[in-house]
Amino acid sequence: DVKVTQSSRYLVKRTGEKVFLECVQDMDHENMFWYRQDPGLGLRLIYFSYDVKMKEKGDIPEGYSVSREKKERFSLILESASTNQTSMYLCASSLIGLAEAFFGQGTRLTVV
Amino acid sequence: QKEVEQNSGPLSVPEGAIASLNCTYSDRGSQSFFWYRQYSGKSPELIMFIYSNGDKEDGRFTAQLNKASQYVSLLIRDSQPSDSATYLCAVSGSARQLTFGSGTQLTVLP
Repeated sequence: DVKVTQSSRYLVKRTGEKVFLECVQDMDHENMFWYRQDPGLGLRLIYFSYDVKMKEKGDIPEGYSVSREKKERFSLILESASTNQTSMYLCASSLIGLAEAFFGQGTRLTVV
Repeated sequence: QKEVEQNSGPLSVPEGAIASLNCTYSDRGSQSFFWYRQYSGKSPELIMFIYSNGDKEDGRFTAQLNKASQYVSLLIRDSQPSDSATYLCAVSGSARQLTFGSGTQLTVLP
């Protein structure tokens, strides 16, 4: 079974803090993605990566950055957390050339 | 902007009935189509994918694709209360990124 693991299930951070969300996959997938999910808006792509040290902006990259130093790990960084970044964050991975994505368990981030 | 549209529901069906979930997409270049199931508080789980026009069956689930009309549907036969979840339609083009609809909430009534 594909295993995508996110470092935290729930996080509470203060406005202005720098926040790191970590994601690790154990299936040697080339592609990794970060989404956020909000009621009524569905899943929206923040950033994705097709290879180590490679990153591409998704639909809503503002206020976020990412890091992929190793193939199995993809980190999402909120440089200065704001209340409008309160959301469910989902990491996903897939094999190169295939779009079937497997998701981690999600991180519910609350910014106060 | 690529769009994927789903009726948000909620859709309620009695146990044992057929549940029909629909999805339309705007990008004619879309190549791959997926249905994910998401239970409340959980992450999405892939249940079906389809690439070619027509029907694809897997157990109680049937995915239907009509590229000319730009719609994809999911039929769930003999619906069970355990099928109660939000169903997400996702579409991928040549860039291999997934664009998701906002989901349809399905409730199967015992």
